[in-house]
Amino acid sequence: EIVLTQSPATLSLSPGERATLSCRASQSVSSSLAWYRQKPGQAPRLLIYDASNRATGIPARFSGSGSGTDFTLTISSLEPEDFAVYYCQQRSNWPTFGQGTKVEIK
Amino acid sequence: QLQLQESGPGLVKPSATLSLTCTVSGGSISSGTYYWGWIRQPPGKGLEWIGSMYYSGSTYNNPSLKSRVTISLDTSKNQFSLKMTSVTAADTAVYYCARGTTGYSNGWPWFDPWGQGTLVTVSS
Repeated sequence: EIVLTQSPATLSLSPGERATLSCRASQSVSSSLAWYRQKPGQAPRLLIYDASNRATGIPARFSGSGSGTDFTLTISSLEPEDFAVYYCQQRSNWPTFGQGTKVEIK
Repeated sequence: QLQLQESGPGLVKPSATLSLTCTVSGGSISSGTYYWGWIRQPPGKGLEWIGSMYYSGSTYNNPSLKSRVTISLDTSKNQFSLKMTSVTAADTAVYYCARGTTGYSNGWPWFDPWGQGTLVTVSS
């Protein structure tokens, strides 16, 4: 099993600020990493696939980077709807998810 | 626009079999090279992939659940289903159905879109 560790667990920021979320894999997953946003009471929504590709309809303020074991999701300027929980998921082996990072309003 | 909707009992007794159905609209489950599968989320916790069926009929399950899980497709109804045997309280979760895709590459999928989820509680 490939374990994904996300940090920080909670990120306290204000609207308009830049958010940087990290996901580290227990072994190399190449670029086979996706990011999801889950708003309260809703299903997760795909943001980024294969480390750096924005999914259809995802705004340009979301960007992903990294390869191997270290990945980053950057939100350039937080909108109100971005205060949510974010998960990473690897697909190098059978799918596993990180434990999530909560982005909360400061 | 593809949409997925889960349905099934919200309460299941311990040791019984959990059965859920995902109805797909806005597209056919028999077209394209997609996976159709299930992911769950215990209350207040993270996400766990349960398993997926590839369009070809091959099934892939989480090794920790493998022997308890069956996923099947019903192309005539444009639905797919999940059966999980011998459930315990640890199986209480919101269950999501989702389409899996690999784009132009091979390998395991990422998931998009997802159904809204259905809460299944295991309790006597």
